[in-house]
Order: sequence, then C-alpha cells, then structure tokens
Amino acid sequence: EVHLVQSGAEMRQPGESLKISCEGSAYSFTTFWIGWVRQRPGKGLELMGIIYPRDSDTTYNSPFHGQVTISADTSISTAYLQWSSLEASDTAVYFCASRATAFDPWHFSGQGTLVTVSS
Amino acid sequence: QSALTQPASVSGSPGQSITISCTGTGSDIGAYNYVSWYQQHPGEAPKLIIYDVSHRPAGVSTRFSGSKSGNTASLTISGLQAEDESDYYCSSYSAGTTLFVVFGGGTKLTVL
Repeated sequence: EVHLVQSGAEMRQPGESLKISCEGSAYSFTTFWIGWVRQRPGKGLELMGIIYPRDSDTTYNSPFHGQVTISADTSISTAYLQWSSLEASDTAVYFCASRATAFDPWHFSGQGTLVTVSS
Repeated sequence: QSALTQPASVSGSPGQSITISCTGTGSDIGAYNYVSWYQQHPGEAPKLIIYDVSHRPAGVSTRFSGSKSGNTASLTISGLQAEDESDYYCSSYSAGTTLFVVFGGGTKLTVL
C-alpha cells in the first residue's frame, strides 16, 4: 500500500483543461499500480484507468479511453489525471488508489479531489 | 449498470446483524477468491474492510465478516452500531475485463 496525497478541489468551466495530482511515498511509488476512480455525486465507484509508474504502462477502462490522460512522474512520485476539455458531466470526486498486483484490492489512502465543472 | 449486483439499501437496528449480497458471474466472483469490500462514509475515501473474500485488514472490527458461495459474495456486519451506517461496495478480480476488476453499485446501510 502506498500512502497517497491528492491535490485540492478544482472548479473549471466547460471546455477548460485540468490536471490533478496524486503524490505517493518515494520508496514504494514505483512498485505499485496507481488507479484513478471517479465517483459522481450520489453514485458508485468507477475505475477509470491505471498506471505502473516505473515504466508508465497505462491502461484505460473503455468508457474513459480518449476522454482523459493518466501519467506519472517518478522523480517526484506523482501520478496525474488530466482533461483537455472538461464537460459538466465530469463533475465528480476523483480518488487515486494503489495496488501491488491485479489480484490485490485497491487501497484508497488519497482523500479525493472534487472537480466541479460549471459555467 | 455495474458488473456486480448489490441491493441498493439494507437496514437494521443496533445490535442486530445484517448481510449485504454481491452477485457476479462465473468469470469473476465464481472463479476467484479475490473479493473485496469497502466502507465509505459521506465525504470520505472508501476504506478496505474485507479482502480475499474473508480476510480483514489490521484494525478492522471483527464484527465485519465476508463469505462466498458460488457467484455470490456476502458481507455480514454483526452487532450493528450507529457508526456502521455507510455505503458499502464490493469488488472482484475479473480476468475478462480490461483492468481486471469489477465493482458493485454500492449498498446504503441505514442503522435504524
């Protein structure tokens, strides 16, 4: 499990870009998978995509492919989730989580980042 | 529509026991013993309370227990307390999905 600290709440207008972050502990960041999870207001958990920071191997869940970009910078132990053009439907809390292997559960040590998209 | 099916809500009185079901298929819950359960209080991140069907992480109350039968996993909370009122999500390893995991839609537990 990696202890993760997420960036703060953001408010943007439709069409704007955004990049939110998830910083992990340096000694373990490169040995765990980092995932981004969306939770729309009053709704359940949706795993958007995952990244292995050591080699930046990234996989997206089908609904999110082409909609967001997941990246990582191992020099600062930070993973990112970014949008090039936000929509109102992107309003949600976004969690980052970690797991060691595909058989392990996700650990949500990040506090979540609220993204509000409104004109 | 979530890949795993959970009841939208359950309720119970303090001191009682409740069970939340999570139904999948022979490609996820039925095939692997990698079922997890999460508790999420409003405004907080999900907290892992059960992994590998029935194992509790350190610090999780023994009042929480998990089991599995066929394609259905279950979370049982005994001796209900007011603090147990929360949303609960199940998840399972799934070899047939892109990210190797499927989630349930969540169950709202109300302590009466």
